[in-house]
Amino acid sequence: AQSVTQPDIHITVSEGASLELRCNYSYGATPYLFWYVQSPGQGLQLLLKYFSGDTLVQGIKGFEAEFKRSQSSFNLRKPSVHWSDAAEYFCAVGGSNYKLTFGKGTLLTVNP
Amino acid sequence: DGGITQSPKYLFRKEGQNVTLSCEQNLNHDAMYWYRQDPGQGLRLIYYSQIVNDFQKGDIAEGYSVSREKKESFPLTVTSAQKNPTAFYLCASSPRDRGNTEAFFGQGTRLTVV
Repeated sequence: AQSVTQPDIHITVSEGASLELRCNYSYGATPYLFWYVQSPGQGLQLLLKYFSGDTLVQGIKGFEAEFKRSQSSFNLRKPSVHWSDAAEYFCAVGGSNYKLTFGKGTLLTVNP
Repeated sequence: DGGITQSPKYLFRKEGQNVTLSCEQNLNHDAMYWYRQDPGQGLRLIYYSQIVNDFQKGDIAEGYSVSREKKESFPLTVTSAQKNPTAFYLCASSPRDRGNTEAFFGQGTRLTVV
């Protein structure tokens, strides 16, 4: 069965600091990997996705993520966090079965 | 504008009543999904449909039912058999081409059962 683990429930960073959110997945074939962001009471917005090719992918709002097959990881990074990045972040895995599975999310708090 | 519309945004129902949540998309996507979100639980898949007149159970289908009679519509019924129906429900769709499961989400429906 496919699954996603986000080990950090809540992360707090200072504005301007770098950020890394962790994601580990389990999937029996080539995965499609996604990071989404959610503001309170809203739907989810796609930040970036990995299907194939270059393992370092760039997304919106200055985010990037690196796919590491050997570690089954797809960590999200940002060099300098802005106060507007405070939100909940979800990692997801999908594939040829069209079933999309999400992690439990990481809540990001940004201190001024 | 293309997108996914969920209605209503807020829904209140008495315990023991069935309730249907609406989800419509005009993105011409083949696949559609229903997720339930509870605090600290992330998004849990209820049902998904890859094509019209076909759907599969997700991880927490008990107490829910769906239909997919039209490509653009995927309504979810929360039945009285669902033990704890109060939650935030999200509908999504994806293009389903070349295994593309990139999902586009609606704004959600918050269901409260009293």
